[in-house]
Amino acid sequence: GENVEQHPSTLSVQEGDSAVIKCTYSDSASNYFPWYKQELGKGPQLIIDIRSNVGEKKDQRIAVTLNKTAKHFSLHITETQPEDSAVYFCAASRDFGNEKLTFGTGTRLTIIP
Amino acid sequence: KAGVTQTPRYLIKTRGQQVTLSCSPISGHRSVSWYQQTPGQGLQFLFEYFSETQRNKGNFPGRFSGRQFSNSRSEMNVSTLELGDSALYLCASSLGGSGGSYEQYFGPGTRLTVT
Repeated sequence: GENVEQHPSTLSVQEGDSAVIKCTYSDSASNYFPWYKQELGKGPQLIIDIRSNVGEKKDQRIAVTLNKTAKHFSLHITETQPEDSAVYFCAASRDFGNEKLTFGTGTRLTIIP
Repeated sequence: KAGVTQTPRYLIKTRGQQVTLSCSPISGHRSVSWYQQTPGQGLQFLFEYFSETQRNKGNFPGRFSGRQFSNSRSEMNVSTLELGDSALYLCASSLGGSGGSYEQYFGPGTRLTVT
């Protein structure tokens, strides 16, 4: 089955700096890669996703890049703000109506004011 | 549009009991997936329902079961509870359908504590 590895497990950055979280996956058939943000006491919130036919996707301060050859994808957050502090999860799934997401182990991001 | 709702939000049960958790998906979404979240194992997929049929299943024992109703609402049941079943149970909904994965939106979860 699919295995998703996520690094680092914790990350602290100064407010205004950039943060990068990286994930690798094992199943070459995976072609959908969402990122979720989970705040304390809440469920995961979808913040951005990318499909395998795209190499990069941006949404304001958030971007995701995908390298299918190397089987890794990354989340980039620029101009970080205190409200970006949370746990971030990457995930992967196959297409063809398969809703099963395999998650990484999470990254606790702390923004230092 | 209202988000995914889950009831109850918190639950305390005793070993050996059974429990039923409920999930109402976003209006128009036909797929409901369930996940278990624990500090040790992270987020793990339990099962997914689409149009009242279980379409996908994770690696959990048969004590974990679920169903989906005609209005897309879903329930999951855990029988003969064990201490290790203590977790946050998350429900996610998506449009579903064939031919592609769709964005999944999560509810706030049900925190189950087994004593």
